[in-house]
Amino acid sequence: DVKVTQSSRYLVKRTGEKVFLECVQDMDHENMFWYRQDPGLGLRLIYFSYDVKMKEKGDIPEGYSVSREKKERFSLILESASTNQTSMYLCASSPPTFRGSEKLFFGSGTQLSVL
Amino acid sequence: KQEVTQIPAALSVPEGENLVLNCSFTDSAIYNLQWFRQDPGKGLTSLLLIQSSQREQTSGRLNASLDKSSGRSTLYIAASQPGDSATYLCILAGGTSYGKLTFGQGTILTVHP
Repeated sequence: DVKVTQSSRYLVKRTGEKVFLECVQDMDHENMFWYRQDPGLGLRLIYFSYDVKMKEKGDIPEGYSVSREKKERFSLILESASTNQTSMYLCASSPPTFRGSEKLFFGSGTQLSVL
Repeated sequence: KQEVTQIPAALSVPEGENLVLNCSFTDSAIYNLQWFRQDPGKGLTSLLLIQSSQREQTSGRLNASLDKSSGRSTLYIAASQPGDSATYLCILAGGTSYGKLTFGQGTILTVHP
């Protein structure tokens, strides 16, 4: 089975800290995604990457950056954490969506609290 | 722009009932549609994937259908159990943007004993 592993289940950080959220997948997927999930707002795309060193902004990229130096790892970086970035962060991966049979797989999520 | 609506937003049923969750979309140019469940505070678990060319998929007590012409997918759960209580999301892959995914807001299902 595909595994998408997020390095931390819970994180508590202080305002202004630099925060790294790590995501690793073991199925050689080209696509990787970072979402945040907030009550009443659903899942919103922050960034996605379709190949090593390639990245595209999603719907809410402000305050975030990403890094994809290796195919299996996609990192989300909060340069200076703020309280409004308190959220559940979900990483996902999939093969390129061109045949229609490719599944999307999610990690178990990181609940980040910024105090 | 693809829009996805899930109805109802919440559903509470007694154990043993058969139930249907609905997912409507506005743009039929999709690659596939996936149904997920999410338990509170957890990630999303894939239940079923229906490719654009398919009409339905089945897994155990779950059956998902797809009707692109009417822009609808349904998730049928037979003989519901308290362990089925979760939020159910439909996610569509497609559109012109690479990796474009569109999410429904989810249906919160509660199955009480």
